[in-house]
Amino acid sequence: EAGVTQSPTHLIKTRGQQATLRCSPISGHTSVYWYQQALGLGLQFLLWYDEGEERNRGNFPPRFSGRQFPNYSSELNVNALELEDSALYLCASSPPQAEETQYFGPGTRLLVL
Amino acid sequence: DQQVKQNSPSLSVQEGRISILNCDYTNSMFDYFLWYKKYPAEGPTFLISISSIKDKNEDGRFTVFLNKSAKHLSLHIVPSQPGDSAVYFCAASSLHAGNNRKLIWGLGTSLAVNP
Repeated sequence: EAGVTQSPTHLIKTRGQQATLRCSPISGHTSVYWYQQALGLGLQFLLWYDEGEERNRGNFPPRFSGRQFPNYSSELNVNALELEDSALYLCASSPPQAEETQYFGPGTRLLVL
Repeated sequence: DQQVKQNSPSLSVQEGRISILNCDYTNSMFDYFLWYKKYPAEGPTFLISISSIKDKNEDGRFTVFLNKSAKHLSLHIVPSQPGDSAVYFCAASSLHAGNNRKLIWGLGTSLAVNP
């Protein structure tokens, strides 16, 4: 069974640009979660999508947004990039009614110059 | 305010000995707890979990203990192996409005198992 996949693996942008990160969940999983892990920090919850709807949002500014498509894949968009947005962005998925167990992708490392 | 706290950012253990990773929480509504392991450049992987109705769950070399009165859980790894060297995250879950669950994460403890 294929795991959670994320693309790209690495992304380099400059300040003010926009970044789009993509995630494909495990087949059969309906929930997708986005996390940010900045250097030296733990996992910071960003967004949770389930059945195409945003269920919950972490303490991040509105320039962090996303969506979930009918096939349950998801995009994370970060507008007006700032240097401190440089981090590893992790996507996780979970099966229906089992949000407590999340399966993670390898992450996208975003570097903002 | 950190609801899930892993107060030791790092831990070093000799191969073959026991590794004990600790986690404290503040929210009494948490009813499910999980441990994840993360290697560099990889996403976290699920390791072991425990429901609040239990006080111990064992899976091979890994055992999680839950002390609800102290709001404390710990992960024991016996015997520790060099391949166990990773960052270990504690996470806690509770039900929210609309019957949805949410995971709250600790900051992680970096375990180094020395040969």
